[in-house]
Amino acid sequence: AQSVSQHNHHVILSEAASLELGCNYSYGGTVNLFWYVQYPGQHLQLLLKYFSGDPLVKGIKGFEAEFIKSKFSFNLRKPSVQWSDTAEYFCAVRDSGTYKYIFGTGTRLKVLA
Amino acid sequence: DAMVIQNPRYQVTQFGKPVTLSCSQTLNHNVMYWYQQKSSQAPKLLFHYYDKDFNNEADTPDNFQSRRPNTSFCFLDIRSPGLGDAAMYLCATSSFQDKNEQFFGPGTRLTVL
Repeated sequence: AQSVSQHNHHVILSEAASLELGCNYSYGGTVNLFWYVQYPGQHLQLLLKYFSGDPLVKGIKGFEAEFIKSKFSFNLRKPSVQWSDTAEYFCAVRDSGTYKYIFGTGTRLKVLA
Repeated sequence: DAMVIQNPRYQVTQFGKPVTLSCSQTLNHNVMYWYQQKSSQAPKLLFHYYDKDFNNEADTPDNFQSRRPNTSFCFLDIRSPGLGDAAMYLCATSSFQDKNEQFFGPGTRLTVL
């Protein structure tokens, strides 16, 4: 069965620190990859997505992610975090042949001002 | 703005008392999903509709049912809520034509007394 692993459950950073959140998935076929963010009290919103092409994907608010097929990874990065990035981040994978999405358990990021 | 709306945002029910959660969308998407999300866990897919075709996850309890009377609306019925069903219930939509990004509603938080 497909699964998605997010290794860091809680991350605390100071403002201006760099961020990298890990995401690994287990599925051998063609996948679509997503990162969603959930700010406190708000609904899940798409940060970025990868379908094909350039494995380095840029999203909103200065986030980017790199798809490394050989490592089954899709790590999220941001060079300099802000206090407003405090949120929960979810990685998700979709088998391109279905409409089903599998989510990771999420990483709760807290940025200290 | 086009969006996914869930009502109510908060629902309190008693053990064993049936409850219905509703979701509506103005995006005209053909796929609608219901997820259950418990604290510090990944959203867990319960079922999804592709148009009127219902797709149940193998591990979704029989206690959970769904209806989709038209493109815009989808309902989640919990026939006999147990304490373990207390969770956030998320509705999402996606469109094959829109590169399958999922759009989420704000969720309904269900409390079972």
